[in-house]
Amino acid sequence: NAGVTQTPKFQVLKTGQSMTLQCAQDMNHEYMSWYRQDPGMGLRLIHYSVGAGITDQGEVPNGYNVSRSTTEDFPLRLLSAAPSQTSVYFCASSYSLRGYSGELFFGEGSRLTVL
Amino acid sequence: DQQVKQNSPSLSVQEGRISILNCDYTNSMFDYFLWYKKYPAEGPTFLISISSIKDKNEDGRFTVFLNKSAKHLSLHIVPSQPGDSAVYFCAASDTNAGKSTFGDGTTLTVKP
Repeated sequence: NAGVTQTPKFQVLKTGQSMTLQCAQDMNHEYMSWYRQDPGMGLRLIHYSVGAGITDQGEVPNGYNVSRSTTEDFPLRLLSAAPSQTSVYFCASSYSLRGYSGELFFGEGSRLTVL
Repeated sequence: DQQVKQNSPSLSVQEGRISILNCDYTNSMFDYFLWYKKYPAEGPTFLISISSIKDKNEDGRFTVFLNKSAKHLSLHIVPSQPGDSAVYFCAASDTNAGKSTFGDGTTLTVKP
């Protein structure tokens, strides 16, 4: 059982480049989300999805795009990378049979550096 | 305005003693509270949670206490073990909105 899988684990981009961070989960979770963690700070919610075809913005959505075409996958797109987007990105999922509780299963993270 | 605060960036305790990690929140819409543990180069893992209708939840060596009137929760680890050394994040969820807000984390070091 793989859980939440993120790729790539490391990426270096130049300012202005675009890329997609991949996230897949095999637990049949309806809820998926993306967080970023900057040094010395907590996790901040970027975007989240309560099911296929439904996405919504979190606390820091600017510069990021998401889509949810399947239950399993929730890719995060950086449209035009900026140095301020240098961070560690975590994808997380949650079951929601009785509604969202906040008990999240996290991937191992993707470390992104924008030069 | 930070809605979830962990005021102690670090905590050091001796093996076998109690570790107490604290967390304060401001948003009254939060109705579910969780603690996560994170090792370097790994994602956070869920540790223990508590609903806003309770004031205590226990799971083995870990106990979470919630004081709603003070908007304060704490995590007690007894007895502390060296393997407990990690960063601990407090999180508060607004379950109706489907969102969780995290604190900045407390680095716990348990010395043998």
